This record gives sequence, C-alpha cells and structure tokens, in this order.
Amino acid sequence: EPEVTQTPSHQVTQMGQEVILRCVPISNHLYFYWYRQILGQKVEFLVSFYNNEISEKSEIFDDQFSVERPDGSNFTLKIRSTKLEDSAMYFCASRGYEQFFGPGTRLTVL
Amino acid sequence: KNEVEQSPQNLTAQEGEFITINCSYSVGISALHWLQQHPGGGIVSLFMLSSGKKKHGRLIATINIQEKHSSLHITASHPRDSAVYICAVRSSEGGDSNYQLIWGAGTKLIIKP
Repeated sequence: EPEVTQTPSHQVTQMGQEVILRCVPISNHLYFYWYRQILGQKVEFLVSFYNNEISEKSEIFDDQFSVERPDGSNFTLKIRSTKLEDSAMYFCASRGYEQFFGPGTRLTVL
Repeated sequence: KNEVEQSPQNLTAQEGEFITINCSYSVGISALHWLQQHPGGGIVSLFMLSSGKKKHGRLIATINIQEKHSSLHITASHPRDSAVYICAVRSSEGGDSNYQLIWGAGTKLIIKP
C-alpha cells in the first residue's frame, strides 16, 4: 500500500538554527500539506501546496516558514530560525481522493 | 467557540465493550475524517465520510449532515484500540485546492483487558 514517508523521525536543534523537514508524498498525488501538533494540543493546519505553489496557509505559517518541492518527489518544510515554540510534531500529508498522513517528525528546539 | 467538538474527551472501557465517540461541527463541510493517533504520534486515516455510514472491520462511522454530527463506533473493543481518535472536517468553502482540515481536540480511548 502506498504511504507518505517523513524524515527525520526526530530532530533536535538549537534555537535560531534552520531546520528542513522532509516528506515523500504518494507518487500520483497532487496536493500536499503540512500540519503541526504542539504536545497536548490539537493538530493545526500550516500550509497546502498545489501545482508548485502555496494554495492556502494559516496564520502560523509566517515568514520563518517556507515549503518547496525541489525535485518532483520530495516536499520540504523549512523553518529559517527556530524558536522554542516551534517544538512540535510536524505531519506531512498528500491527497489524491483521500488525504494520507506521514508518521510525523518530532522537532525539539532547545 | 471551537468549530469541531468531540465528546467525550477521555474514555476508559473494558475489553469487549461497544464504544461510541461523537463529533459535532458548526461549519458547512464537504467531508469529515476520522483519524487515529497512537502514542508514538503517527496519524492514520480511518474514514472519510460525506454522507451515510461506512464500516471497516470493527469500526463504523456515521454522519448526519442535517444535524452536523458524526459518530465513530468500535464493536468488541480490544486493548490495541487504545489511541486518540480525532475528528477533522473539510470546510465546504473554497475550491478543490482548499482542503485544509479543521481538527477536533481528540478523544483519548483506553481499553482495559
């Protein structure tokens, strides 16, 4: 069964550092998403991406965040200068008819 | 006010019991998802509904569009069903590219042997 994969599973970084979270969506899907979940809180929508551009983004997705599909298979989320409050689980998803989720990357900012 | 409300927040039951988790929403939707999140954190999509009822194994999901309510049922519950069950809706506003999900807070289910 096709699946969405994410790397790394856990990333620890120092405040102010840049991180790149990687996702490989399901190959024939056209819509891609990033969500985050701060520990103990609801999952929150960050951004959706279609046709090589952002189609929707939430208030959380400020100038510190960017997304890219660099090579037609990977879908990345970059946080330019991490803050303590960026510590969360980040989920990638891709959609054909239904939306499928990756296993998540746990980001810890120290 | 939360646009997606789930109840109960926490549910502990004995193995074998019939489980019901409820989801109410206040926005117009085009689809409703039930998802499962295990302690490790990964999210698995269980159902996507826009009307009626779906069944997969011991899981049943129903939706009443007029009442803006959905239920997830688990028959013959088992300890391995212990997880957080999350309801998320896709707003009916916007085009096909707008598929941002509005998430409920989740119901933490513990099934005791």
